[in-house]
Amino acid sequence: QQQVKQSPQSLIVQKGGISIINCAYENTAFDYFPWYQQFPGKGPALLIAIRPDVSEKKEGRFTISFNKSAKQFSLHIMDSQPGDSATYFCAAINTGTASKLTFGTGTRLQVTL
Amino acid sequence: NAGVTQTPKFQVLKTGQSMTLQCAQDMNHEYMSWYRQDPGMGLRLIHYSVGAGITDQGEVPNGYNVSRSTTEDFPLRLLSAAPSQTSVYFCASSYLRGRSGANVLTFGAGSRLTVL
Repeated sequence: QQQVKQSPQSLIVQKGGISIINCAYENTAFDYFPWYQQFPGKGPALLIAIRPDVSEKKEGRFTISFNKSAKQFSLHIMDSQPGDSATYFCAAINTGTASKLTFGTGTRLQVTL
Repeated sequence: NAGVTQTPKFQVLKTGQSMTLQCAQDMNHEYMSWYRQDPGMGLRLIHYSVGAGITDQGEVPNGYNVSRSTTEDFPLRLLSAAPSQTSVYFCASSYLRGRSGANVLTFGAGSRLTVL
């Protein structure tokens, strides 16, 4: 049973546009929601993360929006650049347990010129 | 600071062969884990460890063995390789909860395994 559902599976955005990736979770015990970015041939790396006590977190061009009542969160990439082309994974964890992140299935983002 | 080091980067096996994927970290992380990445499936947890001598199963443990004799090393053993184990394998580590940086996984660069 997939506890974190991610969409879309792939996304093509023009340079300068906004990329939006959505995730939904089922387990209300999750209390930490990170996003990982993975470039081809590399391992995933933490991009940005949010806790459910805030509705939005922004770091540069990357913003997480969080809707606790809907159990949904999303990543917005403003002014998308070709260098943002990568696979993005949302994840969730109950920090009261051992560190076992549950990942979404990933979104492959391509930013075109 | 090397972070998480995985070897080998590429490996081709025949069905039924066994092999070990190596993982080492130099950050003194208590938590170490193995994931496999398959198209459309995301990252699925195989096994994990919260400290030396302690291991537990993740979501897809069948066909794999692990041990944790030291804090630094967490090898993944394929006992009898099958084509279904063709995948990219990632080792990841972190501090345990309650410490700064807990829940932030540091991943290795991956090991691409093909089973014929």
